[in-house]
Amino acid sequence: GDSVTQMEGPVTLSEEAFLTINCTYTATGYPSLFWYVQYPGEGLQLLLKATKADDKGSNKGFEATYRKETTSFHLEKGSVQVSDSAVYFCALSDSSGYSTLTFGKGTMLLVSP
Amino acid sequence: DGGITQSPKYLFRKEGQNVTLSCEQNLNHDAMYWYRQDPGQGLRLIYYSQIVNDFQKGDIAEGYSVSREKKESFPLTVTSAQKNPTAFYLCASSNTGTGNQPQHFGDGTRLSIL
Repeated sequence: GDSVTQMEGPVTLSEEAFLTINCTYTATGYPSLFWYVQYPGEGLQLLLKATKADDKGSNKGFEATYRKETTSFHLEKGSVQVSDSAVYFCALSDSSGYSTLTFGKGTMLLVSP
Repeated sequence: DGGITQSPKYLFRKEGQNVTLSCEQNLNHDAMYWYRQDPGQGLRLIYYSQIVNDFQKGDIAEGYSVSREKKESFPLTVTSAQKNPTAFYLCASSNTGTGNQPQHFGDGTRLSIL
């Protein structure tokens, strides 16, 4: 079945540092890929998405590129802020039309001033 | 504002008791979902529904039940058969289509055992 693997956290960075959170996936067909963010005590918010190979999703300074050859969708940001501290989830949706999501286990990001 | 409303925010269950978690959306989405979140485990799909009066089991449906009598509502009942119900429960909704529709999430209900 489909699966998503994320790097384990927590990832601890100083403000203005460069961020990479790795995500790789296993799926048949041509899945869509998503990054969600969860702040403490809240639900998940869509951060960005990509629906086909070589697509780049971007939002709020975060970027991720759909790499089919390496089955990866790594999240990057050039300069993190304290307010970026949260848990980040990588997810895929298969192409069957049901839009069910398979999530990674999440990566906690802690940014210090 | 359109969105998903989950209630209550916190819920406590006694042994042998069924409890129902509410989820309402005003986004006019056809599909709705229930997930369970445990620390370090990510999100696991409990049930989902693509259309009114129809729903399917997800990966961990045992001990849970749902109904979908209205497009806007998808309540989840945690039955006494669910032996480890303590978790954070998230409801989501989306348009249906080719699988590239993002899901929109509520703020969750935290269920604990008394």
